[in-house]
Amino acid sequence: DAKTTQPTSMDCAEGRAANLPCNHSTISGNEYVYWYRQIHSQGPQYIIHGLKNNETNEMASLIITEDRKSSTLILPHATLRDTAVYYCIVSPGGNNAGNMLTFGGGTRLMVKP
Amino acid sequence: GAVVSQHPSWVICKSGTSVKIECRSLDFQATTMFWYRQFPKQSLMLMATSNEGSKATYEQGVEKDKFLINHASLTLSTLTVTSAHPEDSSFYICSALSGGGTDTQYFGPGTRLTVL
Repeated sequence: DAKTTQPTSMDCAEGRAANLPCNHSTISGNEYVYWYRQIHSQGPQYIIHGLKNNETNEMASLIITEDRKSSTLILPHATLRDTAVYYCIVSPGGNNAGNMLTFGGGTRLMVKP
Repeated sequence: GAVVSQHPSWVICKSGTSVKIECRSLDFQATTMFWYRQFPKQSLMLMATSNEGSKATYEQGVEKDKFLINHASLTLSTLTVTSAHPEDSSFYICSALSGGGTDTQYFGPGTRLTVL
C-alpha cells in the first residue's frame, strides 16, 4: 500500500508556480521523500528527493515540514511540458534491495495556457 | 542525470511465444534493478527486484517461472515473458538504482508489449 496521499488532479496556469502537496504522516525516520513524474506513455522521471531539509535543483524545490508528515513539490514556472502525473513516494535510503518504490495514484497536473 | 535504456520500445507477439526485454544502465553501474508493470490508467506495480549475480526477488502474485529475470552484469538486466498471453499485454518499465550516496532509482522509457 502507498504510504502517501496526494490530490487526484490539479490545474496550473502556464508561467505560474505549481505547488503539489503530499501527506506522509506515517513516514519513518529513515525514509526519504522522493518525487517522480510520468508523462504519458513514458517511464517515470526522477525530480528530487529529500530527508528532512528543503531541497532545490534545476527542476524543482522540495519543502518538507518540520515534523516530516507532509511535503510540497514546487515547480517555479510551470510550462505546458510539465503536464504529467506526479508521484510522491516515501522509501528508505541506502543502496540495498529494500529501496523499492511503491507508486500510488499520484497527482495529475494539467498546465493550461 | 543517469540514463537507463530499454529495448525494444514496443513489441507485438503471438500468444504462446516468449519475449525478452532488455534494461541497460548506460552511464552507471547498478547492482540492483527493478521491473514494474503498468496497465492502462493504473499506476506502476513492482514485479520483481533484480540483483546482479543472484536470483531475483518477486512480488506476491508474480509468477517467477513466467517472468524470467536475469541480471548478469552491472549494467544489464533482462525480463523474459514466457508463453505470453493477451493478459500479459502491458507497459513494462525497468529502473536501476544508482549508488554512490545518491540512492536514486532511474527509470527506463518502458516497453509496450501487445500479445495477440
